[in-house]
Amino acid sequence: EAQVTQNPRYLITVTGKKLTVTCSQNMNHEYMSWYRQDPGLGLRQIYYSMNVEVTDKGDVPEGYKVSRKEKRNFPLILESPSPNQTSLYFCASSGRLAPVLNEQFFGPGTRLTVL
Amino acid sequence: TQLLEQSPQFLSIQEGENLTVYCNSSSVFSSLQWYRQEPGEGPVLLVTVVTGGEVKKLKRLTFQFGDARKDSSLHITAAQPGDTGLYLCADGGSNYKLTFGKGTLLTVNP
Repeated sequence: EAQVTQNPRYLITVTGKKLTVTCSQNMNHEYMSWYRQDPGLGLRQIYYSMNVEVTDKGDVPEGYKVSRKEKRNFPLILESPSPNQTSLYFCASSGRLAPVLNEQFFGPGTRLTVL
Repeated sequence: TQLLEQSPQFLSIQEGENLTVYCNSSSVFSSLQWYRQEPGEGPVLLVTVVTGGEVKKLKRLTFQFGDARKDSSLHITAAQPGDTGLYLCADGGSNYKLTFGKGTLLTVNP
């Protein structure tokens, strides 16, 4: 089954404790992206990657890091999480290098709480 | 920076009613996508529109793209409880970014 998987689905952590949210897709998509979703603010893009070893900032990249060492994986790293990073996070992927006309497939989401 | 405005923000209706939600942009859309997000899940693409004036139908859902490509509407006929969800519009933009509106939260009551 074609899908985007994220782990963990739920995470409660404390300020400053490094964490990684994994994202994996099995559709051989070139394009992957991370979003956060907050009430009243909608979905905002954090980082995206057009292919292996190619990443770029989205609208809200501060406090986050990403890497794209393999085509299928795109982990999101919070080196020193803070309470304002409490949010619902989505990973998405898309085929071909121009997702403008392509469907973005979203993972099920990771609900992160930083105390 | 492009701004996408969706209205209404919330909509609660009875099963069988018709409804329309709107998406307006401060600038011309590169292309426009409509997604539906059900509780506890990620958004799922409903449709992509590209050409000004384009109309697409998906069963009881009708999507319209404005002639000037700065606005779009989603009309649902005879809404059902299964239509409940957050409806998001998004612009393909440039540099492989999607810009989302804040969404319309639709509740269809049995």
